[in-house]
Amino acid sequence: DAKTTQPNSMESNEEEPVHLPCNHSTISGTDYIHWYRQLPSQGPEYVIHGLTSNVNNRMASLAIAEDRKSSTLILHRATLRDAAVYYCILFSGTYKYIFGTGTRLKVLA
Amino acid sequence: KAGVTQTPRYLIKTRGQQVTLSCSPISGHRSVSWYQQTPGQGLQFLFEYFSETQRNKGNFPGRFSGRQFSNSRSEMNVSTLELGDSALYLCASSLEGTANTEAFFGQGTRLTVV
Repeated sequence: DAKTTQPNSMESNEEEPVHLPCNHSTISGTDYIHWYRQLPSQGPEYVIHGLTSNVNNRMASLAIAEDRKSSTLILHRATLRDAAVYYCILFSGTYKYIFGTGTRLKVLA
Repeated sequence: KAGVTQTPRYLIKTRGQQVTLSCSPISGHRSVSWYQQTPGQGLQFLFEYFSETQRNKGNFPGRFSGRQFSNSRSEMNVSTLELGDSALYLCASSLEGTANTEAFFGQGTRLTVV
């Protein structure tokens, strides 16, 4: 199973953009890059996913490097409600997510 | 539409007992997967079911088992409970469990073994 590497923690000021990096140097051609976040006392929540091209949705943007060995989740304007643990996961055809330790995002008012 | 429902939300059991947890997926979703979350090990995959068939299983002992019914509802069972089984058990549902779809997680069942 391909692994991802993320910083343990990051801080951001409220209403500023946040760039959460993820390294996945062993990614295979069929692996999709998924991001989930987990707020305290809740189950993980889907954020975004992509294969090769950059992706945007109402929550965030996903920028994928050309060689696909890294990606960045972009929250355009962080709010206090975005404080959570963010997981970058590679998902292929094996029907399971392999969660790493994630990045704990702290948003400062 | 209704989200993923897990019951019960909280459970306290004694070592040696068994427990059954339930997960009702989002209507129309046929894939249900289960995860265990502990402070030490993080989120770990238990198993995944699709149309009543187990398609993948994580590295857990045989005391952990599951099944899926024809209406896609799923149950997981843990027999001969150990203290180390205390955890948050999460289930996730998706349309088909494939790589290009999103999964929706329930709020989990918090199991405490004493």
